[in-house]
Amino acid sequence: KQEVTQIPAALSVPEGENLVLNCSFTDSAIYNLQWFRQDPGKGLTSLLLIQSSQREQTSGRLNASLDKSSGRSTLYIAASQPGDSATYLCAVQWEGGSEKLVFGKGTKLTVNP
Amino acid sequence: EAGVAQSPRYKIIEKRQSVAFWCNPISGHATLYWYQQILGQGPKLLIQFQNNGVVDDSQLPKDRFSAERLKGVDSTLKIQPAKLEDSAVYLCASSLGVVRGGPDTQYFGPGTRLTVL
Repeated sequence: KQEVTQIPAALSVPEGENLVLNCSFTDSAIYNLQWFRQDPGKGLTSLLLIQSSQREQTSGRLNASLDKSSGRSTLYIAASQPGDSATYLCAVQWEGGSEKLVFGKGTKLTVNP
Repeated sequence: EAGVAQSPRYKIIEKRQSVAFWCNPISGHATLYWYQQILGQGPKLLIQFQNNGVVDDSQLPKDRFSAERLKGVDSTLKIQPAKLEDSAVYLCASSLGVVRGGPDTQYFGPGTRLTVL
């Protein structure tokens, strides 16, 4: 069964700290992996998308890495700010199927001023 | 560019009642998705349309849920009759639906929060 797991479920850090969110997935035959941000009462915003042939993607203070062989991805957030507080979701598209995204349960991040 | 629109934003009903949600995708997007997100969980795909046709409805509880996509544009998702466990946020997303030569980014609407009492 194709599943996505995120650890930890919640994380609280002081402002300015660098942090890492973890995502693991079964079945390494992925097409791509995405990291989304979800704010309360709002939809999902795509942050970074890593195709299966790529090792990492960067956008501003965010860096996402992908290790297909171990079934893992990390989202690194540098110099965290209170505005980064949100739930971060990892989602995987696998090869051979529809364009369906399979999501993890998310990590709720709180950055304290 | 206008995003994915959904209505209503909130809905409260009693169990066994029926409810319908509406989604207007981004103009020109051929693929439309409905996801269910239960509190504390990630979104789960209910149904995927490519233009008017259904691509994947394997996780749609067909005894109570139905969905249609009108003329390949707007879509409605209906629940009849609703159960307590249907309380969730229902998210609509759309994408260009290009042939697989690259990632087909999904854009999400704000969702409809359903509470079944």
